[in-house]
Amino acid sequence: GAGVSQSPSNKVTEKGKDVELRCDPISGHTALYWYRQSLGQGLEFLIYFQGNSAPDKSGLPSDRFSAERTGGSVSTLTIQRTQQEDSAVYLCASSPRTGGEGEAFFGQGTRLTVV
Amino acid sequence: QKEVEQNSGPLSVPEGAIASLNCTYSDRGSQSFFWYRQYSGKSPELIMFIYSNGDKEDGRFTAQLNKASQYVSLLIRDSQPSDSATYLCAVHFGNEKLTFGTGTRLTIIP
Repeated sequence: GAGVSQSPSNKVTEKGKDVELRCDPISGHTALYWYRQSLGQGLEFLIYFQGNSAPDKSGLPSDRFSAERTGGSVSTLTIQRTQQEDSAVYLCASSPRTGGEGEAFFGQGTRLTVV
Repeated sequence: QKEVEQNSGPLSVPEGAIASLNCTYSDRGSQSFFWYRQYSGKSPELIMFIYSNGDKEDGRFTAQLNKASQYVSLLIRDSQPSDSATYLCAVHFGNEKLTFGTGTRLTIIP
């Protein structure tokens, strides 16, 4: 597709369940980001993948959160044993370049609600 | 810890006036700078990028970069109600991740 695609658009889950969020980046983009945004708040960085380098996981809030990127393309963010405070919009972004000119393009986000 | 700072606002500007949004960053090695606009309930969208010192104009938008003083700004001329949004500054440090400020909420008053 032409843009970053995220699925599902909305997800309602029960507390304690695991969820998987998917991101299809723009074809050819080497960098991929996951962010979280709670209502009325700024972007919270979660994880950054860049080519074949080890991912920057410094933003993951707990060991319940993990992410992988297969074949340098599709990425999945997994949240285990979801808690109510995990409710937020999860945004994925991809970027075509390394280094200096790394503008990122965002998907439409997945709104996660933990009940 | 590399930081990007923005005044959270809200910033209120009369319609037709110039809106000025500012951003400072901590790392002198930063190479590229971006402004994103985020409407309520939507994802951020890229509106401007700048790599070199000075001004860059695109329609009603002008990005200004001063690497010596470590700030980047966005000017919106002839502000319209449709410009009301949160504006996010983002800075790229070499091969590291894009770092975002917390955003400035702008309201254009008709």
